[in-house]
Amino acid sequence: QSVLTQPPSVSAAPGQKVTITCSGSSSNIGNNYVSWYQHLPGTAPKLLIYDTNKRPSGIPDRFSGSKSGTSATLGITGLQTGDEADYYCGTWDSSLSVVLFGGGTKVTV
Amino acid sequence: EVQLLESGGGLEQPGGSLRLSCAASGFTFSSHAMSWVRQAPGKGLEWVSSISGSADRTYYAASVKGRVTISRDNSKSTLYLQVNSLRAEDTAIYYCARGMATWFDLWGQGTLVTVSS
Repeated sequence: QSVLTQPPSVSAAPGQKVTITCSGSSSNIGNNYVSWYQHLPGTAPKLLIYDTNKRPSGIPDRFSGSKSGTSATLGITGLQTGDEADYYCGTWDSSLSVVLFGGGTKVTV
Repeated sequence: EVQLLESGGGLEQPGGSLRLSCAASGFTFSSHAMSWVRQAPGKGLEWVSSISGSADRTYYAASVKGRVTISRDNSKSTLYLQVNSLRAEDTAIYYCARGMATWFDLWGQGTLVTVSS
């Protein structure tokens, strides 16, 4: 069981919006930046969001990140079938000095 | 082209050892911290270890501490992961990733390690 908690799955119709939450604690999400990754099994994971709400070059603005207290959220608007993948949150835990990933959320469009 | 290419995976016996390599190209390797992340069959991503650009700092997950050593050769732009006392639960795809702590911005395709007798 992961220290960072994500819902196992979310789904929505094409064109709609989904949000994925990532819950942690003050030693990780509460006091550190959060990143989000898109992963299709068998391929290299892709960084979608870094520093909680920044998008790397080439990532469309349909993807957004935010944080409130000890929870972070990834939003995906204008859902496309190509968005079907597993999504993971990640952050640093200052107390344990380790990197944490959430358990992953499968998005179905 | 900016890329990471892992190698060294395969079928290994429990109790054995292996060394994974990750060849970097297209960027200044020594300027970046590097990490290993793995994914066991049917499971999520699990961080394994990270090393700073100058190799003066290393970090390990509790699940591998004492059995794993991360290292790098900046002259060869190559990252390594030595895994000893292999266990069945080490079976996973091992990804090399650029970055440390709060984000990883470049990932390799991964190399599969299977631990079985």
